[in-house]
Amino acid sequence: GAGVSQSPSNKVTEKGKDVELRCDPISGHTALYWYRQSLGQGLEFLIYFQGNSAPDKSGLPSDRFSAERTGGSVSTLTIQRTQQEDSAVYLCASSSIHRGTPMMETQYFGPGTRLLVL
Amino acid sequence: AQRVTQPEKLLSVFKGAPVELKCNYSYSGSPELFWYVQYSRQRLQLLLRHISRESIKGFTADLNKGETSFHLKKPFAQEEDSAMYYCALKGRDFGNEKLTFGTGTRLTIIP
Repeated sequence: GAGVSQSPSNKVTEKGKDVELRCDPISGHTALYWYRQSLGQGLEFLIYFQGNSAPDKSGLPSDRFSAERTGGSVSTLTIQRTQQEDSAVYLCASSSIHRGTPMMETQYFGPGTRLLVL
Repeated sequence: AQRVTQPEKLLSVFKGAPVELKCNYSYSGSPELFWYVQYSRQRLQLLLRHISRESIKGFTADLNKGETSFHLKKPFAQEEDSAMYYCALKGRDFGNEKLTFGTGTRLTIIP
C-alpha cells in the first residue's frame, strides 16, 4: 500500500517568510510524528499526535513552529518568520499504536521535505 | 532525559570484514532500542529492534544494560550495506512515544 507522503519535496524560501509542510500518513495510522534532520545533527523530535489526545509539543524549538492534524489524518507543520537555522530536512512518520502491544509499534517515515531558507 | 550517542560519524570497512557500529544510550527508565537505516536516495526505515532479538540482513544488536550499549554487528560486510545508520531509543512507558536518535554513522563498504 501507499506509504507516508510529504509535500513539497523541496522548498526554498526567503528569511522571514512563512512556510507550510504537509504530511499524509499511512491510512489508519493513529500516531503521527514530525522530526527535523539538520546537517550533522541527526534527527530531532518536534511534535507527536496520537488520536484525539493533546499533542506532545515538547520538541518544538520555538513558538514560530506549530503543527496541526486535521480529522486525525493529514498534518501540516508551519514555520513562521523562517530563519536560516530552520534549513533542514523535515521528516514525518506515522504508526499504528495498540495499547496491548505498544512495544511492537513501528514508525514509518516519509521521504522528507528539504527546506532551504536563504 | 533520553540521549543516544553514536561516536563514529564515518566508518569504512572492507567487503567481507566484520562490521560494528557503536551506540550508547542514557535513559533513567526501561528503554526500547532500535537501529534505523537510510540507503542512498531512500527513506529512513527500521532495520531491527532489540525486543525482537532478530537478525535482519545479517545484522544483529544486543542490548547491554550494564554498559548501556546497543552496538550493531555483522560478521561479513557486503557492498549493499553502505548506508547511513541511526540508533534510536524510546521509553517503554506508554505515552512516551517519541524516538530519540543518535547523530548517525555513515558506513561505507570498500569493494
